[in-house]
Amino acid sequence: GQSLEQPSEVTAVEGAIVQINCTYQTSGFYGLSWYQQHDGGAPTFLSYNALDGLEETGRFSSFLSRSDSYGYLLLQELQMKDSASYFCAVRDIDSGYSTLTFGKGTMLLVSP
Amino acid sequence: ETGVTQSPTHLIKTRGQQVTLRCSSQSGHNTVSWYQQALGQGPQFIFQYYREEENGRGNFPPRFSGLQFPNYSSELNVNALELDDSALYLCASSQGRSEYFGAGTRLSVL
Repeated sequence: GQSLEQPSEVTAVEGAIVQINCTYQTSGFYGLSWYQQHDGGAPTFLSYNALDGLEETGRFSSFLSRSDSYGYLLLQELQMKDSASYFCAVRDIDSGYSTLTFGKGTMLLVSP
Repeated sequence: ETGVTQSPTHLIKTRGQQVTLRCSSQSGHNTVSWYQQALGQGPQFIFQYYREEENGRGNFPPRFSGLQFPNYSSELNVNALELDDSALYLCASSQGRSEYFGAGTRLSVL
């Protein structure tokens, strides 16, 4: 089976940098994705890492180490609107189809 | 905007009833997946359809079933509703590595 671990909650202030870690155990690993979800809204795709290293997209960066089964999402220059839940999700291949297995999510609270 | 729309947005049913949730995917996305998200949890994979055929299923009983239509729309049907079926149901369409989620249907079973 698959399992992912991420912190349940992280707090930070506006303008700060925060890192959300994710460790996973899975078979058939294909890549690690990150999603943002505001309360009651749709999960929104943020980033995807298939290979080791850092991917940067604006204020957000994501890192993957396949050998350590570990990744993180780095959010810089935090804004109040970044307050949301963040999910890491493993993309794996099982019996010929690709799907996502999500962690339980990290609630990020950004204060003034 | 993800281009994925779901209806209805909210629904209240009683135990034992049946429900149909609908999803309209992005044009050209031939794969649609359905997820169940309980309060405070991450989305859980229910099943996936590719070109109108179910090609993958998570750990959900057969009373969860679905359909995908040629116009990229799809349905999730749940029979014999149980209290634990209360959740946000998400539809996601994909082509390639990114999945695009709809805002979901909030189902409450009383």
